[in-house]
Amino acid sequence: GQQLNQSPQSMFIQEGEDVSMNCTSSSIFNTWLWYKQDPGEGPVLLIALYKAGELTSNGRLTAQFGITRKDSFLNISASIPSDVGIYFCAGPRYGQNFVFGPGTRLSVLP
Amino acid sequence: NAGVTQTPKFQVLKTGQSMTLQCAQDMNHNSMYWYRQDPGMGLRLIYYSASEGTTDKGEVPNGYNVSRLNKREFSLRLESAAPSQTSVYFCASSEEFWVNYGYTFGSGTRLTVV
Repeated sequence: GQQLNQSPQSMFIQEGEDVSMNCTSSSIFNTWLWYKQDPGEGPVLLIALYKAGELTSNGRLTAQFGITRKDSFLNISASIPSDVGIYFCAGPRYGQNFVFGPGTRLSVLP
Repeated sequence: NAGVTQTPKFQVLKTGQSMTLQCAQDMNHNSMYWYRQDPGMGLRLIYYSASEGTTDKGEVPNGYNVSRLNKREFSLRLESAAPSQTSVYFCASSEEFWVNYGYTFGSGTRLTVV
């Protein structure tokens, strides 16, 4: 079945640093979603991507839809403490619901 | 603007006990979902309801049952809880089953089975 892999699994960074993470699929996707889960809460949608090569920003967050359509990237610039959480990518199963990656856990050190 | 509301937020069960997790949405969404979240495994779909009156199995349905009570409410039942069902459970909803902008999630139920 379709599987998503996220890298890295976890990361510890200093406040103010930039962050990069990625998501890869064994299948081609026509949509990529990035969610963030704050500690103790449910995931919240950050960015949606719909076209290969598309680059979309949401404040300090920028996501890209890979040109192979099998990957996507999320960058966070100038990290702050409230960026702490788990970042999930998601893509649609063919004709069905979304499948989620295992997540990248981000910790920000002051 | 409640969105998706889940109850309870926390629960501890003994092996073999039963319980029902409740979920309600106030966005007039047609489709609702139950996921479980385990460390390192992301979110896995247990059951979903594409529309009122229908339910279908997801990736990991064993040990669970669901009821779409009405358009607003979608409950998840554990008939005989097992330690392997210790997890965080999320309910989600979307306007239609096939949407390309994802789902709205509740804040989760943290279940421990001892």
